[in-house]
Amino acid sequence: NAGVTQTPKFQVLKTGQSMTLQCAQDMNHEYMSWYRQDPGMGLRLIHYSVGAGITDQGEVPNGYNVSRSTTEDFPLRLLSAAPSQTSVYFCASTRDRGGTQYFGPGTRLLVL
Amino acid sequence: GENVGLHLPTLSVQEGDNSIINCAYSNSASDYFIWYKQESGKGPQFIIDIRSNMDKRQGQRVTVLLNKTVKHLSLQIAATQPGDSAVYFCAEASGSARQLTFGSGTQLTVLP
Repeated sequence: NAGVTQTPKFQVLKTGQSMTLQCAQDMNHEYMSWYRQDPGMGLRLIHYSVGAGITDQGEVPNGYNVSRSTTEDFPLRLLSAAPSQTSVYFCASTRDRGGTQYFGPGTRLLVL
Repeated sequence: GENVGLHLPTLSVQEGDNSIINCAYSNSASDYFIWYKQESGKGPQFIIDIRSNMDKRQGQRVTVLLNKTVKHLSLQIAATQPGDSAVYFCAEASGSARQLTFGSGTQLTVLP
């Protein structure tokens, strides 16, 4: 199993541009989440999904959209990038409620 | 808990000594706690977890202690090795979807 994969590894955007961060897992996990990590800080939850077709907001959802059309994929969309969205983004998945979360390697995003 | 800023608490230990990393959590309703290790440029890696019906759990070279009375969690690493150098995060979970709230992290440096 590849586990949790994320693409791209690094991205530079200009303010106002849009993009989609990809996340995929091959462990057949129901739960998937997106976090952002700012320098010297812990991870903050953006959005999460408890199964295909079901998503919900986390702690810092503004400026981000998600969808979950399949169990494997959970893309994160930035509709109009802002410098405040410069961060490292981590996707995670877990088999079920209360299970261990497995994290992807992250996407480093710089918004100019 | 809330992220506390840009400067991580740091802990330096000699190789071979034991390390103790502490964490105060914020939500008295949290019933599941996890320690993660994050090496530079990588995603968080699960170390050990504990549920609120326990006060101690041991793994390989690691022990987690939970004190619900004062909402305190600690991670003990025995015979610390250079490969243990990383940032360590505690996370607490509550709610039906088991969303994680991360602490701000502690930078552990192992001195030769």
